[in-house]
Amino acid sequence: SAVISQKPSRDICQRGTSLTIQCQVDSQVTMMFWYRQQPGQSLTLIATANQGSEATYESGFVIDKFPISRPNLTFSTLTVSNMSPEDSSIYLCSAPLAGDRNEQFFGPGTRLTVL
Amino acid sequence: QKEVEQDPGPLSVPEGAIVSLNCTYSNSAFQYFMWYRQYSRKGPELLMYTYSSGNKEDGRFTAQVDKSSKYISLFIRDSQPSDSATYLCAMPLGGGYQKVTFGTGTKLQVIP
Repeated sequence: SAVISQKPSRDICQRGTSLTIQCQVDSQVTMMFWYRQQPGQSLTLIATANQGSEATYESGFVIDKFPISRPNLTFSTLTVSNMSPEDSSIYLCSAPLAGDRNEQFFGPGTRLTVL
Repeated sequence: QKEVEQDPGPLSVPEGAIVSLNCTYSNSAFQYFMWYRQYSRKGPELLMYTYSSGNKEDGRFTAQVDKSSKYISLFIRDSQPSDSATYLCAMPLGGGYQKVTFGTGTKLQVIP
């Protein structure tokens, strides 16, 4: 089955700093998605990362806070900028794989704690 | 009203019980329905995927869809302690490469 990996798996960061999360897919995909899962909550879509164009952000999320790169069809990064404790969350990337574009597969997540 | 409603639980059942997990949705455009299982400190794992009304069975798991009532269910037979996890229903709008709307998840605990 397809594999999606993320780095780092977890991090503890200071307020005001930035963290870049990497997502690697073992097959080429047109779109990748970034989600946030706050403690005890479900998944909230942050943005859709398109290869070769700017990411599309959902309501409540802006590029200055969550810049995204998508340099090729197997890789994406999400940066959480100028962090505050409210950014403490699990960040997950996903991609439609296995030949069916509606089946979303997820990476293991990055657990971020901001002090 | 949220597009997808799911009872957060927690739901505790004894080992061997039949578990019923449910979601309701409001958007009649949803055509595809998925169930994810998420273990603590892990990413969601796709468990079941269906796009039609009726039942779909996979081992001990059965996904049921009733589009007329906008209601979906996941049944787990002979539940095991290893089934203890959070179960999320999810619905893409379809048509390819669409974002997915998730329910809040139901936390299940199967007690040995």
